[in-house]
Amino acid sequence: GAGVSQSPSNKVTEKGKDVELRCDPISGHTALYWYRQSLGQGLEFLIYFQGNSAPDKSGLPSDRFSAERTGGSVSTLTIQRTQQEDSAVYLCASSGGVLYTEAFFGQGTRLTVV
Amino acid sequence: DQQVKQNSPSLSVQEGRISILNCDYTNSMFDYFLWYKKYPAEGPTFLISISSIKDKNEDGRFTVFLNKSAKHLSLHIVPSQPGDSAVYFCAAKGSGGSNYKLTFGKGTLLTVNP
Repeated sequence: GAGVSQSPSNKVTEKGKDVELRCDPISGHTALYWYRQSLGQGLEFLIYFQGNSAPDKSGLPSDRFSAERTGGSVSTLTIQRTQQEDSAVYLCASSGGVLYTEAFFGQGTRLTVV
Repeated sequence: DQQVKQNSPSLSVQEGRISILNCDYTNSMFDYFLWYKKYPAEGPTFLISISSIKDKNEDGRFTVFLNKSAKHLSLHIVPSQPGDSAVYFCAAKGSGGSNYKLTFGKGTLLTVNP
């Protein structure tokens, strides 16, 4: 596609349920990032993929969070046993590679845990 | 610890005047700086960037200034237009092993009044 696409746009889930957030990066982009923005906060780095591997998972807040990327393209961020503090906008971005400093963002998934 | 700081949560200016958004950083390993603009319910979009080897970069109405000794950068918008009203995020990229990761500030909400 022309840009980074994320789905769903909005997700309301009950506390304790699992959720999956999807990201379709720009075709050909090898680098993919997940960030999240909580209310009143900046963008918090979660995880970085180069191809299908994730050399940096240091930003994942807990072991309830996991992410994978397949075929060097689509990525899924999974949150297990969601908690209210997981409520945030989850943003995905892609770039042409490490040497490309400009990352293109999707519109985000607004997750609300009730 | 917050490595990229935007100390002004909000800024209001009159249409036609200059908007100056400020950003401070603490990590001397940052070597590339970017500004992103974000409208509500949309992902951040890249605006302008500057390498640490430069002190100024200009693109139309937007100019970014970098003062490495002060670890300070600023974004100037002149003349400001109502359509510039958005949240502006400052971001920095490190060198070496973490050269893929963008570290963001908390953002400044700019309101340009007609």
